[in-house]
Order: sequence, then C-alpha cells, then structure tokens
Amino acid sequence: DTGVSQNPRHKITKRGQNVTFRCDPISEHNRLYWYRQTLGQGPEFLTYFQNEAQLEKSRLLSDRFSAERPKGSFSTLEIQRTEQGDSAMYLCASSPTGGGTEAFFGQGTRLTVV
Amino acid sequence: AQSVTQLDSHVSVSEGTPVLLRCNYSSSYSPSLFWYVQHPNKGLQLLLKYTSAATLVKGINGFEAEFKKSETSFHLTKPSAHMSDAAEYFCVVSEGNDYKLSFGAGTTVTVRA
Repeated sequence: DTGVSQNPRHKITKRGQNVTFRCDPISEHNRLYWYRQTLGQGPEFLTYFQNEAQLEKSRLLSDRFSAERPKGSFSTLEIQRTEQGDSAMYLCASSPTGGGTEAFFGQGTRLTVV
Repeated sequence: AQSVTQLDSHVSVSEGTPVLLRCNYSSSYSPSLFWYVQHPNKGLQLLLKYTSAATLVKGINGFEAEFKKSETSFHLTKPSAHMSDAAEYFCVVSEGNDYKLSFGAGTTVTVRA
C-alpha cells in the first residue's frame, strides 16, 4: 500500500500522559499536513510542513503540541500533558504541490484521553 | 478568509433516487473547491475537485458538482444513490496558492433500501 500511513490507529491514554503519533506520507510528496477532527465536525488544520520545514502552525496548536518532520520524510505529532479536550481523530495528509492540488489523507489516529 | 457552509447536516435518500448535497463557500480569492467522502474506519477520499477549469466537474462513483460563482455554491449531486454511498461528505475550500484546506462540518448521507 503506497498511501499515507498513520500509527497507531487508536490510542487510549490517561490525562496528563504524553503521546506521540507517527505519519508516513506518500514517498514523493514534499508537503505534509496535520489536521484534527472532533466528533460531528470537519477536520481543522493544525500544522504544515514543506520538506523538513514547519511553515505554519494553527492557533489550535497549543504549547503542549509539537510536530516534527526530520529529513523531510515521516512526521511525528507529540502531545504533552494530555487533557480530555485533546480527545479527537488526528489526521495526516500529504500532497506533491500546494494550491489546488488535492491532499491524500491517512486513516487517522483516534486519541481517547481518560 | 476562506470558509464553507454545508447546508444540510443529514440527508436521507432511497436507493436509486437522486442525491443532492448543498455547499456554499466564502473566499476572497479564486478558490479551489473539493468534495471528500469519509466512510467509517476509512480515510478521507477525494470525490472531485474544481480548480478554475470547467464549472461542471465529474468525479468518481457517478458524482458531479457544479461551481456557480454568482451563487457562491458548489453543490454535489448523483443521479441514483447506491447503498455504498452511505457515508460522511465534506465540502472543502482552499484559496489561491494557500495549502490549507478548510472543511465544512459535513453531511451524513443515509441510503434506505
């Protein structure tokens, strides 16, 4: 399968713990995005990478969130000191170019904070 | 700023009847518009996209959408619904060279046998 891959698919964690998610984009795509989707809502933009450079972060991404994309390949999204409000589906997407080109999405990581 | 409004949160149709999902957009610049579908436990899949070419866009699985600038609309239609069309549908906009996608809240489609 050469699509966008996300791991783990599901994560249950206790409030206050740290969690890390991984995204492997389509190999030739230089742009990578993270989105968050809560129940009954559409995905919301969190952050964007072009190659290894993080070019934009949404104000939704508090200081407890950090994303990296070392060497412009896979990306990780870490949430520190998780809160119940962090419970959501975290989606990763990639695209070969910007501006009107569709993004290809992974199946997401569903986070539940208890 | 770009945004979309999906006018129906839930649409229920009988199998074999037409489907209409309504979407209005707001954009300061020439928008690119998309429809994505999300089946349970599956990733978002692109149905079709409009990027300033033909205003009537044909997508996968028999879906099509028409871009109407005067009405700022991008409604999705399918002449005959199939049971496999039951899913969540999102209207999405991006502006000019902006890489960010702005999603609507989604429309849940149920198909009755």
